[in-house]
Amino acid sequence: DQQVKQNSPSLSVQEGRISILNCDYTNSMFDYFLWYKKYPAEGPTFLISISSIKDKNEDGRFTVFLNKSAKHLSLHIVPSQPGDSAVYFCAASVGATNKLIFGTGTLLAVQP
Amino acid sequence: GAGVSQSPSNKVTEKGKDVELRCDPISGHTALYWYRQSLGQGLEFLIYFQGNSAPDKSGLPSDRFSAERTGGSVSTLTIQRTQQEDSAVYLCASSLGGGRNFGPGTRLTVL
Repeated sequence: DQQVKQNSPSLSVQEGRISILNCDYTNSMFDYFLWYKKYPAEGPTFLISISSIKDKNEDGRFTVFLNKSAKHLSLHIVPSQPGDSAVYFCAASVGATNKLIFGTGTLLAVQP
Repeated sequence: GAGVSQSPSNKVTEKGKDVELRCDPISGHTALYWYRQSLGQGLEFLIYFQGNSAPDKSGLPSDRFSAERTGGSVSTLTIQRTQQEDSAVYLCASSLGGGRNFGPGTRLTVL
């Protein structure tokens, strides 16, 4: 039972354009959502989070949008840079400190 | 300051042997998590420690897996009688609330 789903295993965008990574969840109790970036042979790195009381959170080039009615969140990266190429995982939890449930990841490739 | 560290970075073992994986969380972090990532898969939750509360073991795949956290700091994940399907990268994370800080992982290969 996959509670957090990333239906696109990969995404390719041109440098300077917008990257949009999508994530869907099924558990309506989730109230805290995070995005992580992972390079090969390294642990995931925290990028940005959002709680269910908000619908948008922005940090530099990264913006996370949350649509609670659709149980959908997305990560926008603009402008995309080649160094953004990595696997992106979305994750969700019930409460900010409880266990995170991760999606299967989306491999982003930013072409120079 | 130091991040989350894990040891060993790589472990090759024979089927049927026991292994211990170690995690040193960030000092002062009350929450500690173990995850694993099998080849081509996402991150699978294993176990979660929060302060002095009883751990959430709901993600452990079998009774061959166990973990402990001594003194609210270092944690050890033990896998008994390893099987080939246990081969994965085992990741530890710690937090004080909010974003979790992950270690680099231990790559376990069971031959």
